[in-house]
Amino acid sequence: LAKTTQPISMDSYEGQEVNITCSHNNIATNDYITWYQQFPSQGPRFIIQGYKTKVTNEVASLFIPADRKSSTLSLPRVSLSDTAVYYCLVGDDDKIIFGKGTRLHILP
Amino acid sequence: DAGITQSPRYKITETGRQVTLMCHQTWSHSYMFWYRQDLGHGLRLIYYSAAADITDKGEVPDGYVVSRSKTENFPLTLESATRSQTSVYFCASSGLGRGSQETQYFGPGTRLLVL
Repeated sequence: LAKTTQPISMDSYEGQEVNITCSHNNIATNDYITWYQQFPSQGPRFIIQGYKTKVTNEVASLFIPADRKSSTLSLPRVSLSDTAVYYCLVGDDDKIIFGKGTRLHILP
Repeated sequence: DAGITQSPRYKITETGRQVTLMCHQTWSHSYMFWYRQDLGHGLRLIYYSAAADITDKGEVPDGYVVSRSKTENFPLTLESATRSQTSVYFCASSGLGRGSQETQYFGPGTRLLVL
């Protein structure tokens, strides 16, 4: 199972675009890339998932380069309520593993 | 639609006591999971279940017991609680699998303190 590496923490300001990059050098052919968001005192919740290129939904965009060894979660125009821990997961049909995530702190 | 619920939300117990954490989901999802979350470790899988009466170990199963007699319930029992089991416990469910293609839906968590 591919290990992921992401920054421990990031700060940004309201209204800015935030990009969180995740490295997964050993990603396998069948692996999907998934991001979860966890607010304080809550369980994680699914944000977005992709296999290659770009995926966009109402919450975020996910950019995956051709070699798939990294991915970038992009949050447009963040607000204070986007303060949370963001987890990058890489897994196949058999399992996923949560790493320690990136603690994103949005400042006013 | 309640989704996935956990009870109790908070629990204080003493070393050596048996504790059962409850998880209930209303979606009829096949898969259910128990995770623990500790500072510095992220979420770690304790046990999972693919269906009623089918359970399997995750990363950190020692000291825990699970059962799944009904699809909607997945209780987690600490047979003899230890201080190292002080943690936040999350239950999750998914429709078709436990891999990355299947979204897992998490409950609100149970905060357990073992004295």
